[in-house]
Order: sequence, then structure tokens, then C-alpha cells
Amino acid sequence: RKEVEQDPGPFNVPEGATVAFNCTYSNSASQSFFWYRQDCRKEPKLLMSVYSSGNEDGRFTAQLNRASQYISLLIRDSKLSDSATYLCVVGDSNYQLIWGAGTKLIIKP
Amino acid sequence: ETGVTQTPRHLVMGMTNKKSLKCEQHLGHNAMYWYKQSAKKPLELMFVYNFKEQTENNSVPSRFSPECPNSSHLFLHLHTLQPEDSALYLCASSQAPGSNSGANVLTFGAGSRLTVL
Repeated sequence: RKEVEQDPGPFNVPEGATVAFNCTYSNSASQSFFWYRQDCRKEPKLLMSVYSSGNEDGRFTAQLNRASQYISLLIRDSKLSDSATYLCVVGDSNYQLIWGAGTKLIIKP
Repeated sequence: ETGVTQTPRHLVMGMTNKKSLKCEQHLGHNAMYWYKQSAKKPLELMFVYNFKEQTENNSVPSRFSPECPNSSHLFLHLHTLQPEDSALYLCASSQAPGSNSGANVLTFGAGSRLTVL
């Protein structure tokens, strides 16, 4: 079983729609959670940290479900510029980061 | 310059060549990392330096040799690579692991895309 698992996609979504994807992790002692965004042929960039109570940043909402060991990312009113690969990252108590392989999102006009 | 800068951006080398990748960060971070990114695979951590000391070496073949002369500079020396080493090599920096809540947040360079013929 992969330590951090994501649906590779691609998710093809019309502009303006809402899209959500999950990421599951295997280590129940995981301490920190992040979503990074990676555009084609570019480097990953931090999108948002994920807090226990859930958090929102504009059109983006991240949730953590410790009982079921997954985090989610919801994007409302999707824009063409949201097209990218979204990487889930989980940190353990030793500050080791485990990366998912990413979920590819394509927003269509 | 700001952020994390990597050079060269693209590199093509033969299996017998020796080359080096360079990374420089201007963020005042104390930890620097080399990652390998292959298509459709998760990022693979190769090396970690914390205050110039190597703290992680994830069973990386000896044909990859890191060097960290100071907290702002990181090199990856390449020698007798194999075609399967072709990938995007990403440098990143962060505050020292464990120092505070921001320590797990990485800032990446644009990467060096390596092709081994």
C-alpha cells in the first residue's frame, strides 16, 4: 500500500464547476498536511496547509479527516488557470514529508 | 535574486560525463533538499542538509554526490549516470526541520531537467 495515495486523474471539469479530490495516507501518526500545486513543466508550489479544523483560502477549501486518514481539496468556481497537478503531502512526527504522485486537473472552457 | 535558483535548467549528458547541478537560496533558510521527480511518480527525496550537515541520504547511488558548502548553496555532482536517471531534479529549501510550524513548508527551485543518453 502506498503511503500517500491520490487518484492520478485527469479530472476534466468545465469552467465554473466545483471539483473535489481526496488523498489518503497510511501513517496514523502523521502530523502535518499540505496541498501543493504543480503546473506543467514547473516546480511544485505550496497551495495551502491543511489544519485539523479545516481551512479555506478564497475558492479553495481543505479538510482533514483523521479518523479515515484522508485530506481533501475542494475548488469552487473553477478557473482555466486552476489546471495543474495537485500534490498531497503528509509529514510525520520526524518532519519527514511523504508525497503523493498528484492528481491532474484540467479545466475546460 | 529571490527564492530558490537552480542551474542549469536543462542538461543533456552521456553516461561517461561528469556534470554538476547548482542550487542557491535567498530565503535565509537553513535546510536544503534534493528531490528527483520522474513522470507520474511521487517526488523522491534524495538528500537533506540541515545547517550544512547532511541529515538524510535515502539510499541514493554513489553516482550522485551532494555538496553543501554553506546554508545558501547546494550542489549535486553527477558521474557515470544511467539513462534511468533522466528526470527533473528539484532543489528546495525550508526553515530547519523542527524549528517551528513553518519548517515543513518547502520552497522549490524551477528544477534541472536531466537527460542521460
